[in-house]
Amino acid sequence: KAGVTQTPRYLIKTRGQQVTLSCSPISGHRSVSWYQQTPGQGLQFLFEYFSETQRNKGNFPGRFSGRQFSNSRSEMNVSTLELGDSALYLCASSLAGFNYGYTFGSGTRLTVV
Amino acid sequence: TQLLEQSPQFLSIQEGENLTVYCNSSSVFSSLQWYRQEPGEGPVLLVTVVTGGEVKKLKRLTFQFGDARKDSSLHITAAQPGDTGLYLCAALLLSNSGYALNFGKGTSLLVTP
Repeated sequence: KAGVTQTPRYLIKTRGQQVTLSCSPISGHRSVSWYQQTPGQGLQFLFEYFSETQRNKGNFPGRFSGRQFSNSRSEMNVSTLELGDSALYLCASSLAGFNYGYTFGSGTRLTVV
Repeated sequence: TQLLEQSPQFLSIQEGENLTVYCNSSSVFSSLQWYRQEPGEGPVLLVTVVTGGEVKKLKRLTFQFGDARKDSSLHITAAQPGDTGLYLCAALLLSNSGYALNFGKGTSLLVTP
């Protein structure tokens, strides 16, 4: 079966711009989580959506937002980009959450210049 | 504050050697997961440990969950170059906004032929 698909794979944006990242989960998976990975901080939880509702949110500023559609596909938006937002953004899907395990996509590498 | 501390941070060994990496916390987990991440890819779930004192084996990998459910270890026997990657532990921890998957910063393993 198809895995978790993230688009685009690479992105270069200018400081101050906004960006939207997309994640298509495994068919049947209703939980989608987003993570930011940097060399200094490691993997940091952004938010989790389940059946179109945000179930939990990490400690990130309001510039980071997301949503989930009725087909479970999810988008993440970052407004007013800062240099420090440069990171690998990972999406993970699960049937229903932690106890079912998470399947990660290959990520979107965002570079802010 | 890093809730999950992993050690060592880096490990470089030769093919055939044994190694152990650790994941520690002051918190008690209901369960804990181990992932491996290769460069340019998302983490891949290796195992979930649930019961204190539990030992799980996955070919040459042995995972142990501490009796008090505050720590875990991963032991690799006769390491191979294909074991190279970033090993991450993760646990569901309660934050101000609910349960969220927290990752350690990982152990970066390099196995040379």
